[in-house]
Amino acid sequence: DAKTTQPNSMESNEEEPVHLPCNHSTISGTDYIHWYRQLPSQGPEYVIHGLTSNVNNRMASLAIAEDRKSSTLILHRATLRDAAVYYCILRLWAANFGNEKLTFGTGTRLTIIP
Amino acid sequence: DVKVTQSSRYLVKRTGEKVFLECVQDMDHENMFWYRQDPGLGLRLIYFSYDVKMKEKGDIPEGYSVSREKKERFSLILESASTNQTSMYLCASSPGTGVPSEAFFGQGTRLTVV
Repeated sequence: DAKTTQPNSMESNEEEPVHLPCNHSTISGTDYIHWYRQLPSQGPEYVIHGLTSNVNNRMASLAIAEDRKSSTLILHRATLRDAAVYYCILRLWAANFGNEKLTFGTGTRLTIIP
Repeated sequence: DVKVTQSSRYLVKRTGEKVFLECVQDMDHENMFWYRQDPGLGLRLIYFSYDVKMKEKGDIPEGYSVSREKKERFSLILESASTNQTSMYLCASSPGTGVPSEAFFGQGTRLTVV
């Protein structure tokens, strides 16, 4: 399986944008880039995903490099509630119906400074 | 509201006991997953299932088994619990469309084996 590399931790000031990087140099053409986050004492929750083009939703934006070997999750205006562990994951589109493995790394622990 | 429900938030069991962790989802998802989460190690995939009665090993299946007799229910079984299985256990489900889509997580079960 293709792997991702993320910094162990990052800090950001409240109400400022946050850019969370992820390297995935061995990504294949059928890997989707997914981001999840895990708030304290909760299960992970989905944030965003993309394949080749940049993506936006109400939570965040995902910027994908042209060669797809890296991506950046962007939180446009961080709040204290965004303090969490953020996971960048590659999910394989499988030809077999429903056969999708979902594997996490150790993620980036984001601390928001008031 | 979509839901993945794990039967217990906290569980204490004795060494050697047979332990069942239950997970139920109400979204008619094909894929279901079991993870354990330990400090510094992130989420590690134990087993996943992409259909009723179908299962595949994840990264750390040793000491565990699973059962999926009905689409909505995925059980994790510790045949003979040991202290090194003390951990947070998380269940997840996702649709099985082939194109990887959002996964939903339960709140987790913190298992202590004494």
